[in-house]
Parts: sequence; C-alpha cells; structure tokens
Amino acid sequence: AQSVTQLDSQVPVFEEAPVELRCNYSSSVSVYLFWYVQYPNQGLQLLLKYLSGSTLVKGINGFEAEFNKSQTSFHLRKPSVHISDTAEYFCAAYNTDKLIFGTGTRLQVFP
Amino acid sequence: DVKVTQSSRYLVKRTGEKVFLECVQDMDHENMFWYRQDPGLGLRLIYFSYDVKMKEKGDIPEGYSVSREKKERFSLILESASTNQTSMYLCASESGQGALNEQFFGPGTRLTVL
Repeated sequence: AQSVTQLDSQVPVFEEAPVELRCNYSSSVSVYLFWYVQYPNQGLQLLLKYLSGSTLVKGINGFEAEFNKSQTSFHLRKPSVHISDTAEYFCAAYNTDKLIFGTGTRLQVFP
Repeated sequence: DVKVTQSSRYLVKRTGEKVFLECVQDMDHENMFWYRQDPGLGLRLIYFSYDVKMKEKGDIPEGYSVSREKKERFSLILESASTNQTSMYLCASESGQGALNEQFFGPGTRLTVL
C-alpha cells in the first residue's frame, strides 16, 4: 500500500494565484516529512522538511507546509505563484531507514 | 557547493546489453541511493549503500546490481537491459552523520532500451 499519497497528479493555475498541493501519509511511516521540487530536466532539490516542533514549516521560494497530525496531512502552499514555479513536486516520508516518495504533482503555472 | 554528477544525461541501449550508470558525489557522504522515476509512479528505490563495499536492496532491485568500490562513486548495473528498464534514473547522496538528513540528487540519466 502506498504510504505517501499525492491525490492530484496535475495542478494548473494562473500566475499570482494561490496554490495548495496535497499530501497525505499513512500511519505506517514516521512523521518526518519532506517536500522536494524537480524543475524541468533537473534532479530533485529540497523545498522544506518537518522533523519536529512548529507545525508550520517555511521553505525556499516562498513555499510553506503545515503538518496536521489529526488529518495525517502535509500540504504544500504558496500564496502567489510565479511562472518559474512550474515543476513537479514530490512529498516524501521516512519509513525505517529510507525515504518513501509520493507519485508527484505537476504544477503548471500559466501567464 | 554540493554536487552529485551522473555520467550521462541520455543513453540509448539495445535489449540484452550490459549497462553501467555512474554516479559521483563530492560531499564525502556515506550514504548513496539509486532511484528510478516513472510517470505516475514517482521515485522508487532500487539499491542503496551506507558505506564502501556495502549495498542494500531497495523496493525494486530485480534486474539491477550495484557497485561501491570508492566512497564517492556508486554505480548501477543492468546486467542484461530490457525494454521495461526504459526510465529516468536518479542518483542521490546523503550524509551519514546525524539523522534524517537531506538527500542531494544528480540531474538524472534518461535511459532508453530498444
């Protein structure tokens, strides 16, 4: 069974609009959670991570995510997207000694 | 500046050929990983290594092997390539010091097996 679920495979949005990319995790994984971004023709890079402490985590490029234990979610948000945010976004969680990735969400920002 | 390099960005091979994918990191990291990335499936772990000459199977090791003779280099080997191994292959490295560190990824190798 998939331990990290990204329900939206694609999210189209206009520039300067807010966006939320959804991620849910199962109780079989730890609550050490990550968001990675993959720009076209590049490898993945870390956007942000939650290990403990404040449930609102701020990352690079104006992104933030909120850890919600009761809803087992770790949704990624940005209040105003830019064309350059067009990329694929992966949610991930640690399971024992390795990262488990979701299937990814392709964010496409239109002018 | 952190860097993970992969030997080829694009590779085309024929069915049955032996294929080597090389990955080198310059961060003195202990841990290295090989993933394959397929549309709709995300990243799946093939093999990983916590030290020189050590290797561990990931979630989909069948049809692959690895080699880690030096700390900075982690090679993925397809003994006899098949068309279902056409994919994007991503290498990553991670410091083994402390816990829950960031993984740093290479740019990927897009392999096509004909």
